[in-house]
Amino acid sequence: EVLLVESGGGLVQPGGSLRLSCAASGFTFSNYWMAWVRQTPGKGLEWLATIKGDGRETFQVDSVKGRFTISRDNAKNSLYLQMSSLRVEDTAVYYCGRDNDYKMDVWGQGTTVTVSS
Amino acid sequence: QTVVTQEPSFSVSPGGTVTLTCGLSSGSVSTNNYPSWYQQTPAQAPRTLIYRTNTRSPGVPDRFSGSILGNKAALTITGAQADDESDYYCLLFMSSGTYVFGTGTKVTVL
Repeated sequence: EVLLVESGGGLVQPGGSLRLSCAASGFTFSNYWMAWVRQTPGKGLEWLATIKGDGRETFQVDSVKGRFTISRDNAKNSLYLQMSSLRVEDTAVYYCGRDNDYKMDVWGQGTTVTVSS
Repeated sequence: QTVVTQEPSFSVSPGGTVTLTCGLSSGSVSTNNYPSWYQQTPAQAPRTLIYRTNTRSPGVPDRFSGSILGNKAALTITGAQADDESDYYCLLFMSSGTYVFGTGTKVTVL
């Protein structure tokens, strides 16, 4: 079974940092681009970043450049999102997804990040 | 900043047909944007319905179809059913290598 499981969410103060992880199974992880998407409470989906299978190429939305970094460890079948200088407006459910042929075809269940003092 | 606009909401009768659209703040949507569509119910992860404009994902009923209508991507639900009541999002690939989700459409079946 193809599966993505996010972890690492939680409560963090404004200005703080957090690293999200996404464990992949059931497919050859290194063959696929992977992405992070978030959804703020009661709002829509926002694509954040994507990373190539070999980790050598990344793309990010302008709003998180310089604060969020996407990375991966193919030996561990894991995707990461390092988030720093967190703001209240970064409060959201964060999903990892498999970026396959210009679509997100596999989604995790999401991990919740709350930025609050 | 690219904005991808969808209708905020639609209401459709059971058995009826509804077409949702997905447009760009500047320019036209084309097949080069590889439009994809996602269905999301509350507290659930999105489900992929359509990709590459008009290809259904495995297991998606054929009452869902995708197309380009004029300068927008479109998702049509033909013969709507009660469990189609969800939020629907489009996703566009941009030439910069990034993606942008649409603002989302809430579909009510009643």
